[in-house]
Amino acid sequence: GAVVSQHPSWVICKSGTSVKIECRSLDFQATTMFWYRQFPKQSLMLMATSNEGSKATYEQGVEKDKFLINHASLTLSTLTVTSAHPEDSSFYICSAGAPAHNEQFFGPGTRLTVL
Amino acid sequence: EDQVTQSPEALRLQEGESSSLNCSYTVSGLRGLFWYRQDPGKGPEFLFTLYSAGEEKEKERLKATLTKKESFLHITAPKPEDSATYLCAVQAGSSYKLIFGSGTRLLVRP
Repeated sequence: GAVVSQHPSWVICKSGTSVKIECRSLDFQATTMFWYRQFPKQSLMLMATSNEGSKATYEQGVEKDKFLINHASLTLSTLTVTSAHPEDSSFYICSAGAPAHNEQFFGPGTRLTVL
Repeated sequence: EDQVTQSPEALRLQEGESSSLNCSYTVSGLRGLFWYRQDPGKGPEFLFTLYSAGEEKEKERLKATLTKKESFLHITAPKPEDSATYLCAVQAGSSYKLIFGSGTRLLVRP
């Protein structure tokens, strides 16, 4: 299957700082990337959908100004958590897909801890 | 509203004890149904895609089937390494978004 990487795999930051998470598709061009958040023992919750070269579409209840998403190329999308607070601590996972493939391939996730 | 429900929430099996996980769905225009495996602290790993009722797919000890209302993931003679959370998700209509169920946590004891 296709390979998707995320960086960093974990990050600890102080409250009020911003954190950037990168998602890369390593062996295919991803026209669409998705960002999910997962709390302990819960399923994945879609935060936003990003298409290369256009603005991201956010799910209801997700703050656009807090979770900035950029999809500047067919292999890279970034999620920036701005002014992070302890309640933003979670497991963030990206996935990548292409129109020719209905499947989404997931990255390994990034564990964010905000102190 | 599109909905995906998985059962049971948790399942404990002895090694070699076959069983099935259920995923029932209510969507407007099923585009595809997906099964993923997720290990603790990792991203989901793709297992299968099913597109139409009657379709079946197999991979090692796993077999996925699909009807118009639900999908089953059959695990034959499971091993401890099959222990994981199994997630079911659907795509509906023209959207590529995945709608996930809450997952089934499977524990296979030696």
